[in-house]
Amino acid sequence: GAVVSQHPSRVICKSGTSVKIECRSLDFQATTMFWYRQFPKQSLMLMATSNEGSKATYEQGVEKDKFLINHASLTLSTLTVTSAHPEDSSFYICSANFQGDYGYTFGSGTRLTVV
Amino acid sequence: QKEVEQNSGPLSVPEGAIASLNCTYSDRGSQSFFWYRQYSGKSPELIMSIYSNGDKEDGRFTAQLNKASQYVSLLIRDSQPSDSATYLCAVGKGQGNLIFGKGTKLSVKP
Repeated sequence: GAVVSQHPSRVICKSGTSVKIECRSLDFQATTMFWYRQFPKQSLMLMATSNEGSKATYEQGVEKDKFLINHASLTLSTLTVTSAHPEDSSFYICSANFQGDYGYTFGSGTRLTVV
Repeated sequence: QKEVEQNSGPLSVPEGAIASLNCTYSDRGSQSFFWYRQYSGKSPELIMSIYSNGDKEDGRFTAQLNKASQYVSLLIRDSQPSDSATYLCAVGKGQGNLIFGKGTKLSVKP
């Protein structure tokens, strides 16, 4: 089946530094990938839609200059959290379509802790 | 009103019982509905998708959709301790986006 690989699974960084998270579709091409964030005991919130070869579309309230998304190929999207602060600590999950509009596969997620 | 609402639980059922999870949504024009299971610290995994009114069965799982009432549910028959997880209801919102509810935590007691 379709697999989305996400790395790293866990990262701890110092406040003010940047962190890059990778999301790869391993056995299919994904023109569109989605980035979600989940705070403890909260639902998944869509942050942005990553489109191969074009600019990402950000949801209202998500700072595009803070959360940089690059979708340079059909199998790779990256999310860079710039100048991270403790309030950015969260579970970040990517997903990609492989089967029509809603055949989502989720990556394994990245637990980011900013200290 | 939140777009997708679920009772946060926890819902506790004995092993072998039927677990019933419910979800309501606000956008009457929604066409696609999904149930995901999420274990603690893990990403969600798709259990069921449903697009038409009525029931859809897959093994021990049955999804039920009532668009007139803007209601979707998930029944888990013969619940097992391994079913203990948070169940997320999600509604398709065009352009491939999903709107998730906060999830219902299910605990199946041996």
